[in-house]
Amino acid sequence: DQQVKQNSPSLSVQEGRISILNCDYTNSMFDYFLWYKKYPAEGPTFLISISSIKDKNEDGRFTVFLNKSAKHLSLHIVPSQPGDSAVYFCASNSGNTPLVFGKGTRLSVIA
Amino acid sequence: DSGVTQTPKHLITATGQRVTLRCSPRSGDLSVYWYQQSLDQGLQFLIQYYNGEERAKGNILERFSAQQFPDLHSELNLSSLELGDSALYFCASSVLGQGNGGYTFGSGTRLTVV
Repeated sequence: DQQVKQNSPSLSVQEGRISILNCDYTNSMFDYFLWYKKYPAEGPTFLISISSIKDKNEDGRFTVFLNKSAKHLSLHIVPSQPGDSAVYFCASNSGNTPLVFGKGTRLSVIA
Repeated sequence: DSGVTQTPKHLITATGQRVTLRCSPRSGDLSVYWYQQSLDQGLQFLIQYYNGEERAKGNILERFSAQQFPDLHSELNLSSLELGDSALYFCASSVLGQGNGGYTFGSGTRLTVV
């Protein structure tokens, strides 16, 4: 039972354009959502988060949007840079329960 | 350097053997989490310890066990290893249970069972 789903295993975007990574969740109790970024041979690193009381959170080039009615969140990266090439994981939890992660989306930003 | 230290980085062992993975959390963090990442799989939660006590259990096999010591470092013990146990094992730490700061991950231990 996958509670957090990232249906696109990979995404390829040209440098300077927008990257949009999507994530769906099934657990209506989830109230906190995070995106992590992972480079090869490294552990995931925290990128940006949003709580269920908001529908948008922005941090520089990164914006996360949350649509609670659709149980959907997305990460927008504008403009995309070659250094953004990595695997992006969506994660969520409720209260202090352990984070549940999606399978990840591999983003390739082409120069 | 994230502040979370995992050793060893790589481990190759035979089926049926037992291994121990070690994790030192970031200074000040009381919670330690273990995750497994198999091929084409996301991060699967195994187990959480908080200040020495088991706090939550996920999809951890009975052949696997963990503990957190008084100095807060944690060990994940994997026994009767099978080929399917080959994976990346990540440790993460956080100050409390979770909250809004997310986890800090180590760089992982790559286990290969042959």
